[in-house]
Amino acid sequence: AQRVTQPEKLLSVFKGAPVELKCNYSYSGSPELFWYVQYSRQRLQLLLRHISRESIKGFTADLNKGETSFHLKKPFAQEEDSAMYYCALENQAGTALIFGKGTTLSVSS
Amino acid sequence: DVKVTQSSRYLVKRTGEKVFLECVQDMDHENMFWYRQDPGLGLRLIYFSYDVKMKEKGDIPEGYSVSREKKERFSLILESASTNQTSMYLCASSSGMTAEAFFGQGTRLTVV
Repeated sequence: AQRVTQPEKLLSVFKGAPVELKCNYSYSGSPELFWYVQYSRQRLQLLLRHISRESIKGFTADLNKGETSFHLKKPFAQEEDSAMYYCALENQAGTALIFGKGTTLSVSS
Repeated sequence: DVKVTQSSRYLVKRTGEKVFLECVQDMDHENMFWYRQDPGLGLRLIYFSYDVKMKEKGDIPEGYSVSREKKERFSLILESASTNQTSMYLCASSSGMTAEAFFGQGTRLTVV
């Protein structure tokens, strides 16, 4: 079964602290994985995708096939990073995205 | 800039009413989707469409139907609204060349 697991509902950190948002997946084959972010009162938007291997707003995510993980990391959190983060996986048919339940990141000063 | 526009930000409907949620995209995308977003449950796929007049059930299609008469427009229909359909509804589109989806601003539906 294809599934995305985000084990943390809420992650609270102080400004300047490192952040790691966890994402594990189950999938047969080579997955296409994404992180989406939703800031308060804004629409859900793509943050990054694993195939582009880029850093967006200081965030990176590495696909670890052995651990079936795609954790999102940032070395120094900023208050403006506070948002809801969703990990997503393209389904086996290649037709839609399967989302995790989301993690709320709260960064305080 | 890809634009996915949902016709309403907020809707309040009565139990038993027929409800239409409308979504329009301006990027000539092949695929369109309706998701439901609930706290603690994440986004769950209701229906999607990969072409005009084509539709596929997602994970939670019960109580919903969809219509895609034109490529740019995808409608979600609640045949007889119930209180457990109170939720945030998100429309999205993708090109079909890539799985990346672009989302609308959401419609918060309250059924009383």
